[in-house]
Amino acid sequence: GAGVSQSPSNKVTEKGKDVELRCDPISGHTALYWYRQSLGQGLEFLIYFQGNSAPDKSGLPSDRFSAERTGGSVSTLTIQRTQQEDSAVYLCASSSPGDSGSWGEQYFGPGTRLTVT
Amino acid sequence: GIQVEQSPPDLILQEGANSTLRCNFSDSVNNLQWFHQNPWGQLINLFYIPSGTKQNGRLSATTVATERYSLLYISSSQTTDSGVYFCAVDGYNNNDMRFGAGTRLTVKP
Repeated sequence: GAGVSQSPSNKVTEKGKDVELRCDPISGHTALYWYRQSLGQGLEFLIYFQGNSAPDKSGLPSDRFSAERTGGSVSTLTIQRTQQEDSAVYLCASSSPGDSGSWGEQYFGPGTRLTVT
Repeated sequence: GIQVEQSPPDLILQEGANSTLRCNFSDSVNNLQWFHQNPWGQLINLFYIPSGTKQNGRLSATTVATERYSLLYISSSQTTDSGVYFCAVDGYNNNDMRFGAGTRLTVKP
């Protein structure tokens, strides 16, 4: 079946512009996650959704970052007034609920490479 | 928050060799996953293994939750095994998934 998809695959934007990144999870997965990976680095967790709700937004790097999910499916990560330090690959993952309230097995999309010039 | 340490940070092997990658974590975890990030950046699930041992072809993994570590074994390595291997944990008291810094594996022909 179809995996997690993300769009665009690449985005180049000028400093100060707003960008929207989209994630389409695996059908039926109730949980959705956003991560950021800077060049040569590990993954930094940003936010997760259970259904349309994001219980904890403290992982977002600044108030320029926001995310929403509608209909329990597609999610959008928005970065306002982009800065050069926002340049990174933004990865999305989805999962079914795990056992005993844990997070389920996560499946990742191909990512969106964001470059802020 | 929970700390995740992976070792070694870099590993170079000759094709056909075996290797063991380690992941230590600082607190009890609900779940643990191993991923392979290929040279094109795609993260591929290897194992979802909060405890016990699993095997998939040339790869196997063991998590000893009581001692807070997990091991990933790669046998008869191939050049296509090259990439970065990440361990990620979901802690009991976390609202996030913590990734280790990864082990960069290079398999030479």
